[in-house]
Amino acid sequence: DTGVSQDPRHKITKRGQNVTFRCDPISEHNRLYWYRQTLGQGPEFLTYFQNEAQLEKSRLLSDRFSAERPKGSFSTLEIQRTEQGDSAMYLCASSPNIDPNYGYTFGSGTRLTVV
Amino acid sequence: EDKVVQSPLSLVVHEGDTVTLNCSYEVTNFRSLLWYKQEKKAPTFLFMLTSSGIEKKSGRLSSILDKKELFSILNITATQTGDSAIYLCAVPLANAGGTSYGKLTFGQGTILTVHP
Repeated sequence: DTGVSQDPRHKITKRGQNVTFRCDPISEHNRLYWYRQTLGQGPEFLTYFQNEAQLEKSRLLSDRFSAERPKGSFSTLEIQRTEQGDSAMYLCASSPNIDPNYGYTFGSGTRLTVV
Repeated sequence: EDKVVQSPLSLVVHEGDTVTLNCSYEVTNFRSLLWYKQEKKAPTFLFMLTSSGIEKKSGRLSSILDKKELFSILNITATQTGDSAIYLCAVPLANAGGTSYGKLTFGQGTILTVHP
């Protein structure tokens, strides 16, 4: 598989439950990004990793959100105590280390619905 | 804070029409501007623009950048129903030396609907 894979594609959860999403980047890409996209808006940056190091977190990423990339390959994004406002599409992307302007590739996203 | 604004927010046309989508930006250190097409799932890359006045073309799509006026346009000629999508404009965050961090700031997107 040469693309960015995300799992699951859809998740419906009750308010207050915890959810975890997974992203498998393109294997040779060192950088991995998480974005959130709500209806009618463009994607908003959440966080990014270079290898296993988390280099930046947006203020959008409250303390209920945590992301990891333990071995510098796949990444997980966990949301604890979900709220209805967390309903969105969560997009993962990866890029080469040298120049992220080239080869920046998005996954198909995980659509979260909190009921 | 970097800012990207797209217009119009939505556009409805008929097949065969030509459309122009706009993207204006305010960024501290400009490196490039990217256009993406999003059809219900992953945004897919269309163009990267770095220099003013040089048109990039791909089939019926073309795009140009104006670094003096801080905007870009995306043109689609002879539109088809398959062009219906959200078109996103984005700018990478960069430092004063022009090194990009890879983090993208997106506009709100333009929802294009092409009717048969």
